[in-house]
Amino acid sequence: DVKVTQSSRYLVKRTGEKVFLECVQDMDHENMFWYRQDPGLGLRLIYFSYDVKMKEKGDIPEGYSVSREKKERFSLILESASTNQTSMYLCASSLGIRRTEAFFGQGTRLTVV
Amino acid sequence: AQKVTQAQTEISVVEKEDVTLDCVYETRDTTYYLFWYKQPPSGELVFLIRRNSFDEQNEISGRYSWNFQKSTSSFNFTITASQVVDSAVYFCALRSGGYQKVTFGTGTKLQVIP
Repeated sequence: DVKVTQSSRYLVKRTGEKVFLECVQDMDHENMFWYRQDPGLGLRLIYFSYDVKMKEKGDIPEGYSVSREKKERFSLILESASTNQTSMYLCASSLGIRRTEAFFGQGTRLTVV
Repeated sequence: AQKVTQAQTEISVVEKEDVTLDCVYETRDTTYYLFWYKQPPSGELVFLIRRNSFDEQNEISGRYSWNFQKSTSSFNFTITASQVVDSAVYFCALRSGGYQKVTFGTGTKLQVIP
């Protein structure tokens, strides 16, 4: 079974802090994604990566950056956390073009105070 | 541009009733993939089904069935004889053409009452 693991289930940070959310997958998937989930808005794509050191902006990249130094790991960085970044963050991975479904981690509920 | 609409925000049914979750999509591409995911209260999205644009066959898996109609751009999901364990948020999603980006609907929260 594919395993996508996010480093924290719950996180509380202060406004202005730099925040790192880590995600690791164990199935050698090329693609990795970061989404945020908010009530009434569904899942919105922040960034995705289709290869090591490659990244593409999603729909809402402002205030975020990402890092993918190794194939299995994809990090989401909040450069200076703000209260409007309080949300559920979901990491996902998928194989290449042919197998397109994504597998998700358990989510990180981030609260910025 | 691609878009997925799940007009039903919340649905409540009594156990053993059948329920259909609606999904309408928009895309200009002729090649695309549609998905359904389930998000139980634990939070992790679980992949249920993938359908590509060239395959309009309906699919049945146990109590779950999916009806894909290109003519109405819909990919509806029916649960037969619902159970309490079906209570979750269900998301429909779309991936078009050569892009890796997947667009999700806003989800439908299903509550099955015992």
